[in-house]
Amino acid sequence: GENVEQHPSTLSVQEGDSAVIKCTYSDSASNYFPWYKQELGKRPQLIIDIRSNVGEKKDQRIAVTLNKTAKHFSLHITETQPEDSAVYFCAAIYWGGADGLTFGKGTHLIIQP
Amino acid sequence: EAEVAQSPRYKITEKSQAVAFWCDPISGHATLYWYRQILGQGPELLVQFQDESVVDDSQLPKDRFSAERLKGVDSTLKIQPAELGDSAMYLCASSRGRGTDTQYFGPGTRLTVL
Repeated sequence: GENVEQHPSTLSVQEGDSAVIKCTYSDSASNYFPWYKQELGKRPQLIIDIRSNVGEKKDQRIAVTLNKTAKHFSLHITETQPEDSAVYFCAAIYWGGADGLTFGKGTHLIIQP
Repeated sequence: EAEVAQSPRYKITEKSQAVAFWCDPISGHATLYWYRQILGQGPELLVQFQDESVVDDSQLPKDRFSAERLKGVDSTLKIQPAELGDSAMYLCASSRGRGTDTQYFGPGTRLTVL
């Protein structure tokens, strides 16, 4: 099945700086890659996603890039703010007959004031 | 905006007891998922429904877990008997269709097995 690796597990940045979280996936058939943000005790919420026919997607301070050849995708957050502090999960769809997301282990992003 | 509803939010039980979790997806969403999230890890799929049919339950421990979505709307996940290792957050998600449709998550049920 699909396997998603996510790095780093913890990322601490100064407020206003940029943060980058990286994920790799194993199944070249995967074609949908969402990113979820989960604040402590709350539900995961989709923040951005990318499909395999696109190399980059932006939404205000958030961007995702996809390299299908290398099978990796990254989340970029610019001008970080305290409310960006949370756990971020990358995920991939494994087209093995079902559509359940395969998640990475998560990155705890800490924004230092 | 519409959200996925789950109940209860918290459940404490003793091992060997039976527990049940309920999920009400966003209206009109045909696909429903149950995920288990162990503390410090990403969610892992347990079972997926398309309407009332099971699409994938390959990761569901069928000796003790069962799931149903009888009328293709709300769903129940049951564990009997519960074991210590079942302590986790149980998340329900729904999407309009299959494939690359966005999955929306509920608030989860935090299960603690003593």
